[in-house]
Amino acid sequence: DGGITQSPKYLFRKEGQNVTLSCEQNLNHDAMYWYRQDPGQGLRLIYYSQIVNDFQKGDIAEGYSVSREKKESFPLTVTSAQKNPTAFYLCASSQTTSSGNTIYFGEGSWLTVV
Amino acid sequence: QKEVEQDPGPLSVPEGAIVSLNCTYSNSAFQYFMWYRQYSRKGPELLMYTYSSGNKEDGRFTAQVDKSSKYISLFIRDSQPSDSATYLCAAFKAAGNKLTFGGGTRVLVKP
Repeated sequence: DGGITQSPKYLFRKEGQNVTLSCEQNLNHDAMYWYRQDPGQGLRLIYYSQIVNDFQKGDIAEGYSVSREKKESFPLTVTSAQKNPTAFYLCASSQTTSSGNTIYFGEGSWLTVV
Repeated sequence: QKEVEQDPGPLSVPEGAIVSLNCTYSNSAFQYFMWYRQYSRKGPELLMYTYSSGNKEDGRFTAQVDKSSKYISLFIRDSQPSDSATYLCAAFKAAGNKLTFGGGTRVLVKP
């Protein structure tokens, strides 16, 4: 099946630890994104990448890092510098066509700091 | 001020009623507009995608864009309990290649 796969679905992190969330897509999309969603709130952009080996900071990049070594993969590392990391993390991908641009999401990863 | 504003709700309607959802945006650079449906603890699912001003219909869903007023709407006809979810509007500008979301409106359709 074509789609976006995020793992793990649930993750617990101790304070001071770095954790990495995986995102893989087999849609052959050029662009990939990471969003954060807090309870009862909309999505906020952390990082995005329009092409392999290139990425840009979104609105809330502090305390996060990413890499884009392969077209299909865009892992997100939540570092110990992120002060409030407990949230729902969503990965997305998109492809620009002549009729515009549509963005599709994975099922998300829940990160809880214990 | 947020670039995309959306009433958080909750919006409660009886089954079979029309659900009316609205968003406003402030940036004229937004070119594409989308509506997503998000069930609890799930990723958002793309419902409607529009580019120009006017109406776009898909089954029970109608998306409406008024670029002159910077206003976008989603209407759900013959609402069902399975339509109970959070609905997110989003706007996209090609420059920067990123999607900006409203805060979402929680909808509850009561049987």
